[in-house]
Amino acid sequence: GENVEQHPSTLSVQEGDSAVIKCTYSDSASNYFPWYKQELGKGPQLIIDIRSNVGEKKDQRIAVTLNKTAKHFSLHITETQPEDSAVYFCAASSSDKLIFGTGTRLQVFP
Amino acid sequence: DTAVSQTPKYLVTQMGNDKSIKCEQNLGHDTMYWYKQDSKKFLKIMFSYNNKELIINETVPNRFSPKSPDKAHLNLHINSLELGDSAVYFCASSLSGIPEAFFGQGTRLTVV
Repeated sequence: GENVEQHPSTLSVQEGDSAVIKCTYSDSASNYFPWYKQELGKGPQLIIDIRSNVGEKKDQRIAVTLNKTAKHFSLHITETQPEDSAVYFCAASSSDKLIFGTGTRLQVFP
Repeated sequence: DTAVSQTPKYLVTQMGNDKSIKCEQNLGHDTMYWYKQDSKKFLKIMFSYNNKELIINETVPNRFSPKSPDKAHLNLHINSLELGDSAVYFCASSLSGIPEAFFGQGTRLTVV
């Protein structure tokens, strides 16, 4: 079955800096890769996703890249703000089932 | 106007008790899920229902019994609760063929 690894587990950055979170997956059949943001006491919220027929996708300060050959995908957050502080999860799916990475706790210091 | 709503938000109960968590979505989705998030924040799928039919059961103990009375509702009943069942349980929903899943706010279950 699918296995998703996520790094780093914690990430601290200064406000205004960029943050990068990386994931790898094992199942070459996976074709959908979402990223979720989970704030304290809340459910995961979908922030951006990418499908396997696309190499990069951008939405304002957030971008995701996908390397199908290497089975890597990454989340890039530019100009980080304190409200970006949360736990971020990557996931991979080849069907309706999402397999999540282990999460990255991002702290943005003012 | 909550999209995926779960009740209760918090649940504290003693070992051995039976409890239920309810989930409802008003997004018009036909697929619903239960995920478990443990103390290390690891999110793992437990069950998936499509149009009221069970399609995924990730080797969850049979003390856990999901029930879907209609495609907008998916409830989770847990028998003989154990300390290890303490976790946050998330309900989610999506539309068949469109993998974006939307999550509820979670139910924090504490077994004492």
